[in-house]
Amino acid sequence: EPEVTQTPSHQVTQMGQEVILRCVPISNHLYFYWYRQILGQKVEFLVSFYNNEISEKSEIFDDQFSVERPDGSNFTLKIRSTKLEDSAMYFCASSPPLDQPQHFGDGTRLSIL
Amino acid sequence: AQKITQTQPGMFVQEKEAVTLDCTYDTSDQSYGLFWYKQPSSGEMIFLIYQGSYDEQNATEGRYSLNFQKARKSANLVISASQLGDSAMYFCATGSARQLTFGSGTQLTVLP
Repeated sequence: EPEVTQTPSHQVTQMGQEVILRCVPISNHLYFYWYRQILGQKVEFLVSFYNNEISEKSEIFDDQFSVERPDGSNFTLKIRSTKLEDSAMYFCASSPPLDQPQHFGDGTRLSIL
Repeated sequence: AQKITQTQPGMFVQEKEAVTLDCTYDTSDQSYGLFWYKQPSSGEMIFLIYQGSYDEQNATEGRYSLNFQKARKSANLVISASQLGDSAMYFCATGSARQLTFGSGTQLTVLP
């Protein structure tokens, strides 16, 4: 069964550094998403991406964050000037064209030191 | 605006018994989906079951069924014949192709 792939599984970064989280969505899906889960808390929506542009974004997704689909398969989340509170699990997800379930990757655990 | 409420922070069930995890929702969308995800201790998010707001029949997927009561705005997950491997955090979510809003989750523990 096709799946969403995220790399790396764990990223440790010094505060103030930039980090790029990578995702390969399911190949025939058209909607792509990033979510964040701070340890012990609920999953929070960050951004959705469709047709090479941002479709929706939450209040969390400020100027520190950006997304990109640099080629036909990858979908990235860049976090500039990381802060301690950016430490979380970051999930990528993708879904087909219609209102169908979003399938999640295994997540990248980001630790800011 | 969308909101999901899961009022059971923790639940226990005996192996092979059925268990119901509660979920109520609030949304301003006319058309929406209701979803359940399982998060084991290893951290990944596993899609379990989906119900469209206009689906007249309750969704079922193997041992999972969704008890959808639109007038009450509830979308409870029923797990039949619980297994030890069902022990995990369970999240209810609502949304559309644009985004999902998650509840705070229910930690289910299956007892041998």
